[in-house]
Amino acid sequence: QSVLTQPPSASGTPGQRVTISCSGSSSNIGSNTVNWYQQLPGTAPKLLIYSNNQRPSGVPDRFSGSKSGTSASLAISGLQSEDEADYYCAAWDDSLNGQVFGGGTKLTVL
Amino acid sequence: EVQLVESGGGLVQPGGSLRLSCAASGFTFSSYWMSWVRQAPGKGLEWVANIKQDASEKYYVDSVKGRFTISRDNAKNSLYLQMNSLRAEDTAVYYCARDREGGPDYWGQGSLVTVSP
Repeated sequence: QSVLTQPPSASGTPGQRVTISCSGSSSNIGSNTVNWYQQLPGTAPKLLIYSNNQRPSGVPDRFSGSKSGTSASLAISGLQSEDEADYYCAAWDDSLNGQVFGGGTKLTVL
Repeated sequence: EVQLVESGGGLVQPGGSLRLSCAASGFTFSSYWMSWVRQAPGKGLEWVANIKQDASEKYYVDSVKGRFTISRDNAKNSLYLQMNSLRAEDTAVYYCARDREGGPDYWGQGSLVTVSP
């Protein structure tokens, strides 16, 4: 049972916009920044969004993040087949004194 | 270019020990917190431990406290994870990662640890 809650799956067709939610609590998302990661099959995770809504260099602007209260969201617009991957949210938890991850969302491009 | 290369994984019996190493390059290693994150087969990501720049602070997930020890050698640009009293549930790919606010920003390719008789 992950501390951060994500839907296990999401799907969309090419060109569509999809959103993935991440729900936490006051000790993690509510008081710290959120990162999002993309993990393609058989590879290491890659940072997609940091500090709630910032994109690292090289990440397309189709990817965007937001945070409100104890929840965060990742939005992917103009969905492409290469976006098919697992997506994870993460934040520091002040009560656990540790990094916590969501359980991951498997995105399928139909 | 930031590079993190893990080594030291392998097959170990329950109750055994293993030491993972991570060689860092392409950035000022001594300026960053560093973490170990693991992923059991077919499962999600689980943070294991992290360590401050000067090793004065270390944090662990509850399930490994007292069994795993994170350490670093800034002179060698290296991060380590000493794993003792290994259990079947420790079987996972272990990633070395550079920390930033909110979580890691760069990850290694991972090192597989299998705990089995």
